[in-house]
Amino acid sequence: EVQVVESGGGLVKPGGSLRLSCVGSGFTFSSYAMSWIRQAPGKGLEWVSSISSSNSYIYHADSVKGRFTISRDNANNALYLQMNSLSVDDTAIYYCARVDGLGWIDPWGQGALVTVSS
Amino acid sequence: EIVLTQSPGTLSLSPGERATLSCRASQTLRSNSLAWYQQKPGQAPCLLIYGASSRATGIPDRFSGSGSGTDFSLTISRLETEDFAVYYCQQYGDSPYTFGQGTKLEIK
Repeated sequence: EVQVVESGGGLVKPGGSLRLSCVGSGFTFSSYAMSWIRQAPGKGLEWVSSISSSNSYIYHADSVKGRFTISRDNANNALYLQMNSLSVDDTAIYYCARVDGLGWIDPWGQGALVTVSS
Repeated sequence: EIVLTQSPGTLSLSPGERATLSCRASQTLRSNSLAWYQQKPGQAPCLLIYGASSRATGIPDRFSGSGSGTDFSLTISRLETEDFAVYYCQQYGDSPYTFGQGTKLEIK
């Protein structure tokens, strides 16, 4: 079964840091671009960060640029999101996602809840 | 950045009825680079349609996608109870990839 599983969510104070992890299984992880997509409570979907299969292309949304860093370890089928200088606006469910084909998302992880609050 | 506008915001229908959801792009999408997702409460989104009209693996044939250029639609031919959810469109024709704001399909 093709799946991605996130870990590392939790409660953090404003200005703090958190690192999300994601492990892929059931597919050749090193052949696919991967992304992080978030959803604030009661809101829609926001594309946060993407990384190409070989690390040659990285994208960060303007809302997180300079604070978040996406990375991957193909040897361990792992994807990461280092989040620094967190604010309450970063409170959301963060989904790890495989970028399939030309750019659609399949599958999605179950999500990791990040809550930024004092 | 390509902006996707979904309409209506909320659609109220009864089981057995036909649903048509719209997604309009602010620019022409290359190669019909549009996907649709379904999200049920408390769950992650799941892929329904890619390439504007190709059904993902395991998706029932009551779901169909159509359109080209800037105007796209998702049609559910005969609504079943489990189809009531939020639906999002996503474009992948131009970076950054973007999502529409969603259409909530609710039971009337």
